[in-house]
Amino acid sequence: AQSVSQHNHHVILSEAASLELGCNYSYGGTVNLFWYVQYPGQHLQLLLKYFSGDPLVKGIKGFEAEFIKSKFSFNLRKPSVQWSDTAEYFCAVESGGGADGLTFGKGTHLIIQP
Amino acid sequence: DAMVIQNPRYQVTQFGKPVTLSCSQTLNHNVMYWYQQKSSQAPKLLFHYYDKDFNNEADTPDNFQSRRPNTSFCFLDIRSPGLGDAAMYLCATSRARGGGSPLHFGNGTRLTVT
Repeated sequence: AQSVSQHNHHVILSEAASLELGCNYSYGGTVNLFWYVQYPGQHLQLLLKYFSGDPLVKGIKGFEAEFIKSKFSFNLRKPSVQWSDTAEYFCAVESGGGADGLTFGKGTHLIIQP
Repeated sequence: DAMVIQNPRYQVTQFGKPVTLSCSQTLNHNVMYWYQQKSSQAPKLLFHYYDKDFNNEADTPDNFQSRRPNTSFCFLDIRSPGLGDAAMYLCATSRARGGGSPLHFGNGTRLTVT
């Protein structure tokens, strides 16, 4: 069974700091990769996804992620965070054509201090 | 504007007393999923419907059942809840299964078992 590892469970940054959240997965075949975000009191929503093509994908609110196949990684980045980025961030992997649904990481709780 | 609606938002049940959680969608998506998320853990897929086709995860306990009477509605039945079943239950939909089709989540139902 595949697994998804998010390296940091809690991250605290100041506004304007740069962000990188790590995500590694275990599946060796073709994958689709996602980052979902959950703002306080809200539902999980898609931040960005990699399906094919350019391994550097851009999402909403200035986020981007880079798929590095050789490292089985899909790290999330943002050059300058804002207080409103405080949220829980989940990395997820879809493999095997999607028949098994998404496998999620445990999430990273990001707190941005003003 | 809510597209995936879960009711109730909070549910309290007694140990061993059957409980049903509901999910409805206005997106007309083919696939509906139920995830279980315990504190500080990754959302874990319980089962999903691809149209009327029910797909159970291998490690989902028999205590958990699901019904999808039509495209819009899907129910999660817990026949005899135990204390270990206390969790957030997330319903999600997607237009297709796999192929990078993103999931759309509801706000979840937090189940407490007393």
